[in-house]
Amino acid sequence: DIVMTQGALPNPVPSGESASITCQSSKSLLYSDGKTYLNWYLQRPGQSPQLLIYWMSTRASGVSDRFSGSGSGTDFTLKISRVEAEDVGVYYCQQFLEFPRTFGSGTKLEIK
Amino acid sequence: QVQLKESGPGLVQPSQTLSLTCTVSGFSLTDYSVHWVRQPPGKGLEWMGRIQSGGSTDYNSALKSRLSISRDTSKSQVFLKMNSLQTEDTAIYFCTRGPNWGQGTLVTVSS
Repeated sequence: DIVMTQGALPNPVPSGESASITCQSSKSLLYSDGKTYLNWYLQRPGQSPQLLIYWMSTRASGVSDRFSGSGSGTDFTLKISRVEAEDVGVYYCQQFLEFPRTFGSGTKLEIK
Repeated sequence: QVQLKESGPGLVQPSQTLSLTCTVSGFSLTDYSVHWVRQPPGKGLEWMGRIQSGGSTDYNSALKSRLSISRDTSKSQVFLKMNSLQTEDTAIYFCTRGPNWGQGTLVTVSS
């Protein structure tokens, strides 16, 4: 199985500052079609996960442009610009290159 | 619009079988895959399996011996059955299709 490893944030993050969440995969998620099979989700407290980014860097419909995804085949970053109170929650990366789909353990964002 | 809703018993006894239903609307099960994901209280997400648009299935190997996913396309329902439940199977169970997730249903395994 592909192992997804997420980094922690130096919480709490001051409101209006930027935050970067890292994720590393044990196998390259870059496929021969040129796409990188990585999703980012946000799970707000008490809610279902919300898809933020797919194909490593494509924002899902309705997602603020304050969220951006980048990376290589195995190292990925989700950047949140100008963090706001509504960004609070746990962020998960997920690979969808292979079965079983695997998630990172989550990164919690708190706002000051 | 696309909606998914999970339903099932809130409480299951150890060693018993869990049966959950995901009722979908806004799309056809013959056009899209539906996945099941679970989340133990206070913990992370675990992908369980999926049923493809053509009806074939893929399972998490860690659960494969206990898990079955099926569907009734005429009722727009996807079913999850998992046997030999233990306390560590206590979790919120979600069904998902692409960016769309159900609200989840909490299943507690306890005598």
